[in-house]
Amino acid sequence: DVKVTQSSRYLVKRTGEKVFLECVQDMDHENMFWYRQDPGLGLRLIYFSYDVKMKEKGDIPEGYSVSREKKERFSLILESASTNQTSMYLCASTKGLDNSPLHFGNGTRLTVT
Amino acid sequence: ILNVEQSPQSLHVQEGDSTNFTCSFPSSNFYALHWYRWETAKSPEALFVMTLNGDEKKKGRISATLNTKEGYSYLYIKGSQPEDSATYLCALDFGNEKLTFGTGTRLTIIP
Repeated sequence: DVKVTQSSRYLVKRTGEKVFLECVQDMDHENMFWYRQDPGLGLRLIYFSYDVKMKEKGDIPEGYSVSREKKERFSLILESASTNQTSMYLCASTKGLDNSPLHFGNGTRLTVT
Repeated sequence: ILNVEQSPQSLHVQEGDSTNFTCSFPSSNFYALHWYRWETAKSPEALFVMTLNGDEKKKGRISATLNTKEGYSYLYIKGSQPEDSATYLCALDFGNEKLTFGTGTRLTIIP
């Protein structure tokens, strides 16, 4: 089974802090994604990556950046955390074949105070 | 961004009863439709990936249909069990696996 591991289950950070959310997958998947989930809204795509050192903006990239230095690791960076970035963050990966499903991590619930 | 609507938002079903809920979309201009189950404190888990030319999908007591002409997909659960309690997410793949998700249907099974 594919395992997608997010480094923290819960995080509490202060406004203005730089925040790193880490995600590692162990099945040599090509594609990796960061989503956030907020009450009353569907999962929204922040950034994604199809290859090492490659990144593409999703639907809501403002206030975020990403890093993919190794195939198995995809990091989400909040350059200067703000309260409106309080959310559940989900990492996912896929093999990159047609119609392959997403494999998700357990999520990181981030609170910015 | 295309709107993916799921209904109802939440649903309470007696154990043993069957149920279904809907994912609707205004256009068939996508590559695949995904269904995921998200249990509390766990990660979302893929149930089905449905292509435009595909037939009904089935996994145990759960099945899904896709009607691209009328713009909806149904997820059916036969003989609901407590372990079926979860949020069910529908998502459309418009290419390159960038999924657009609905807001989900939260299902609670009453023992």
